Amino acid sequence: TQLLEQSPQFLSIQEGENLTVYCNSSSVFSSLQWYRQEPGEGPVLLVTVVTGGEVKKLKRLTFQFGDARKDSSLHITAAQPGDTGLYLCAGSFFMEYGNKLVFGAGTILRVKS
Amino acid sequence: EAGVAQSPRYKIIEKRQSVAFWCNPISGHATLYWYQQILGQGPKLLIQFQNNGVVDDSQLPKDRFSAERLKGVDSTLKIQPAKLEDSAVYLCASSPRTVMNTEAFFGQGTRLTVV
Repeated sequence: TQLLEQSPQFLSIQEGENLTVYCNSSSVFSSLQWYRQEPGEGPVLLVTVVTGGEVKKLKRLTFQFGDARKDSSLHITAAQPGDTGLYLCAGSFFMEYGNKLVFGAGTILRVKS
Repeated sequence: EAGVAQSPRYKIIEKRQSVAFWCNPISGHATLYWYQQILGQGPKLLIQFQNNGVVDDSQLPKDRFSAERLKGVDSTLKIQPAKLEDSAVYLCASSPRTVMNTEAFFGQGTRLTVV
């Protein structure tokens, strides 16, 4: 069973459109992270959200953490071809031994010019 | 700052053969993760080390997979014998063990093809 459910699994849009990716769980996380991964590379961190209800902006990307710290969303405004990639959410549990990081299945985004 | 180094980048083996992957994490990072990523999917945690001790290997297929982290620095992941379904990218990541910084820094991965 997947601890983190991401939707949609695949998104193909035209340049300039807006989109939202969702990440949902029944678990409460210490923090939630969003990564972006390009072919042949490892995931790279975009943002970490820690506080319930927190909203962070990174240029055209807006990240929100749910009030109960169980879900999150990523909104991209005016998508560009350079935004193409695999977007992954990851829930972090701070354990006595360190951080356990569990990933969702990912959303493949393709932005066409 | 040097990133996480992994080798080899690519490996093709026949089923029932053995293979080993190597990872050198970022200096000073206490946490080391090995993930398995099937094409188009999210990474699945195989094993997590804190310094040189295993803290989570609940999803490691222990009948064929093994891993060690020598002296709390470099790590190797071994598969013996390999199956077709082991074809995937194996990602190594490291993270500082602090409350404030939970970011995982990933290597480029090793793409394994089992034929």
